[in-house]
Amino acid sequence: GENVEQHPSTLSVQEGDSAVIKCTYSDSASNYFPWYKQELGKRPQLIIDIRSNVGEKKDQRIAVTLNKTAKHFSLHITETQPEDSAVYFCAARGGGSQGNLIFGKGTKLSVKP
Amino acid sequence: DTGVSQDPRHKITKRGQNVTFRCDPISEHNRLYWYRQTLGQGPEFLTYFQNEAQLEKSRLLSNRFSAERPKGSFSTLEIQRTEQGDSAMYLCASRQGANTGELFFGEGSRLTVL
Repeated sequence: GENVEQHPSTLSVQEGDSAVIKCTYSDSASNYFPWYKQELGKRPQLIIDIRSNVGEKKDQRIAVTLNKTAKHFSLHITETQPEDSAVYFCAARGGGSQGNLIFGKGTKLSVKP
Repeated sequence: DTGVSQDPRHKITKRGQNVTFRCDPISEHNRLYWYRQTLGQGPEFLTYFQNEAQLEKSRLLSNRFSAERPKGSFSTLEIQRTEQGDSAMYLCASRQGANTGELFFGEGSRLTVL
């Protein structure tokens, strides 16, 4: 089955800097890759996603890139703000699954003012 | 509130007791998922329903765990003979059909087994 690895587990940046979180996946048939943000004590919420027929997607300060050949995808946050501080999870949906998402272990991002 | 709702939000129980959690998905969503999340980890898939049919179940899921979605609307997750290792946040999520990717999560039910 699908396996998702996420790095780093913790990331600390200064306000205004960029943050990059990387994930790799194992199932070459996976076709959907979302990123979720989870604030302390709250539910995970989708912030951006990308499908396997697209190499890059951007939404304001957030972008995701996908390299299908290498089976990795990354989240890029520019001009970070203190409210970006949270745990970020990447996930992958296998091509043969029923839509089940397999999540990485998360990256705790801290943005220092 | 038209989001995914879960009940109870917190449950403390003694080892060996049975517990049941309920999830009400977004009304037009036919796909419903249960995940488990422990501290410092990502959500771990438990089981999946399409309408009332349970189509996928994690191989890691103990037979003490059972889930139902009898009318294709709300779902229940029961844990029998709870163990301390069952302590976790149990998250329910739902989404629409195959072409809609976003999974909407509930706030979760936190289980503490003493």
